Amino acid sequence: AQTVTQSQPEMSVQEAETVTLSCTYDTSENNYYLFWYKQPPSRQMILVIRQEAYKQQNATENRFSVNFQKAAKSFSLKISDSQLGDTAMYFCAFMKLSSGNTPLVFGKGTRLSVIA
Amino acid sequence: DVKVTQSSRYLVKRTGEKVFLECVQDMDHENMFWYRQDPGLGLRLIYFSYDVKMKEKGDIPEGYSVSREKKERFSLILESASTNQTSMYLCASKVLAGIYNEQFFGPGTRLTVL
Repeated sequence: AQTVTQSQPEMSVQEAETVTLSCTYDTSENNYYLFWYKQPPSRQMILVIRQEAYKQQNATENRFSVNFQKAAKSFSLKISDSQLGDTAMYFCAFMKLSSGNTPLVFGKGTRLSVIA
Repeated sequence: DVKVTQSSRYLVKRTGEKVFLECVQDMDHENMFWYRQDPGLGLRLIYFSYDVKMKEKGDIPEGYSVSREKKERFSLILESASTNQTSMYLCASKVLAGIYNEQFFGPGTRLTVL
């Protein structure tokens, strides 16, 4: 079974600074996807960024980028130029690439607070 | 845009009541999921469905059942609610096989069982 570990329950960052959220996972699969989801306070969970395991290049989405280390099974999220709207719970998630029916496996989340 | 809706944002029920949580998606997704979210525990999968009338147990199915009679609707049923089922319940949907494999989430139902 796959497991996802987020070792930082809470983090804070000053507005405009950069912060990195950690995620490690355990799997024997070779083909899989990794995701970072964001859940703002009292709002809907939305996808921030995804990474296909077969791609060596790290995914980027505007101010959000990942550091994907497949051998180390590490998938960290870097937020540059942090904004107040980045305050949220962030969940790292894993999905093995099989028939398409497999659900996501989530970490326990990191609560990020951006401070003005 | 994909839309996943849940019947209630907040719900208060009594111990022993039968509770129905409804989820509807409008993008013809084959897969639908029910999670519960608790502080410090993240999201835990209760049940999922990959087709009409099909269901699979997740990690914590005890005390819950599900129903999927139509493709767009996935219901979570608490046969006899208990206080330890007080939680946030999230529904999600996903296309069976796509390029991006993104799960889309509903707004959640915060259930309190007294």
